[in-house]
Amino acid sequence: DAGVTQSPTHLIKTRGQHVTLRCSPISGHKSVSWYQQVLGQGPQFIFQYYEKEERGRGNFPDRFSARQFPNYSSELNVNALLLGDSALYLCASSLLASGVAGELFFGEGSRLTVL
Amino acid sequence: TQLLEQSPQFLSIQEGENLTVYCNSSSVFSSLQWYRQEPGEGPVLLVTVVTGGEVKKLKRLTFQFGDARKDSSLHITAAQPGDTGLYLCAGASASYDKVIFGPGTSLSVIP
Repeated sequence: DAGVTQSPTHLIKTRGQHVTLRCSPISGHKSVSWYQQVLGQGPQFIFQYYEKEERGRGNFPDRFSARQFPNYSSELNVNALLLGDSALYLCASSLLASGVAGELFFGEGSRLTVL
Repeated sequence: TQLLEQSPQFLSIQEGENLTVYCNSSSVFSSLQWYRQEPGEGPVLLVTVVTGGEVKKLKRLTFQFGDARKDSSLHITAAQPGDTGLYLCAGASASYDKVIFGPGTSLSVIP
């Protein structure tokens, strides 16, 4: 079975541009979460989506937005890019069931560099 | 705001040594996970602990959840170079609307 897939794997943007990152969850997983990981730090929670609805949002500005599609894939959009947005963006899928809600399965991430 | 702290931040040991890393919070979590992350890859789930006082073993790794479900430890026996990586603890909120991560412990096992 395919794991979580993310695209693109690497991208370079300039300040002020917009970026869209894509994620396909594991088959059967209806929850997708997005995280930002700066080098040397733990992942920071951005969004959680379940059944196409936003269930949780981290402490990120409104420049960050996301959505989940009927096939449970998801997009993360970041507008007006800043240098500080340079990071590894991780997508994780889960079953979101009691007792295993924290069991996330991650993709390999999208490495964003903002120049 | 739920926060997780981990210690130590960095750990460099010789192959064959034992080590323990800690994860602490002032909040209670419905469950707590440990992940390991290697450079350029996403974190990989190692274990989930749910019940206060629970102990789980995964080969040379022993995980313990505190009685109050606010802290956890990971003990590695006879560390090997393949254990090198970033060890992350994570906690799920009671409403399951988020999973937050600690800052991680970077482990280097020297042959």
